[in-house]
Amino acid sequence: VQLQESGPGLVKPSQTLSLTCTVSGGSISSSGYYWSWIRQHPGEGLEWIGYIHYSGSTYYNPSLRSRVSISADTSKNQFSLNLSSVTAADTAVYYCARLVDGVPAAGHWGQGTLVTVSS
Amino acid sequence: HSALTQPPSASGSPGQSVTISCTGTSSDVGGYNYVSWYQQHPGKAPKLMVYDVIKRPSGVPDRFSGSKSGNTASLTVSGLQAEDEADYYCSSYAGGNTLVFGGGTTLTVL
Repeated sequence: VQLQESGPGLVKPSQTLSLTCTVSGGSISSSGYYWSWIRQHPGEGLEWIGYIHYSGSTYYNPSLRSRVSISADTSKNQFSLNLSSVTAADTAVYYCARLVDGVPAAGHWGQGTLVTVSS
Repeated sequence: HSALTQPPSASGSPGQSVTISCTGTSSDVGGYNYVSWYQQHPGKAPKLMVYDVIKRPSGVPDRFSGSKSGNTASLTVSGLQAEDEADYYCSSYAGGNTLVFGGGTTLTVL
């Protein structure tokens, strides 16, 4: 399976960051998987944002829950991230990844995409 | 939902062993056998090296091993090689279908 992130590299403060992850080599609606977003601030560690289960259930990092939404488009084999009211603190490399149900570990990752929040 | 604690750096000479620690709480590391370790080279996406505390994905050398005692998990890299120089991150299931990562450890091969 391969994952590829896409979306704007520059977002203005207070706007909504929107990214899409296109999955190839496997269906996002296949049972047994979680599809996740993870970010990495420049020069810093990883931060789990949330994931969507193949059933459609979503789970989010409590610290971001009020601003995050993850959805899936099974017809396009894609899942998406929306992060609202962004600030410079949301500048990061955003990765999409796949986890196996019952194994909370990301075995497959996209290459990552840098999103800068700046006016 | 605080980040797991890792030492910022670790080092060892080629052929030696090095152990990286990852300390959490009874709500994450200590509460579940779901600790994972990732290797990240500069400019690259992380790579899963260990999951479920001790298991290795196919293709990961057996020089990489994981363990856990109480609220602290560890990754040991034996027979250090130059290509092992990278950042390493731990992660743990934290209940309620949530995950938490560590701050990362930079491993230097001297």
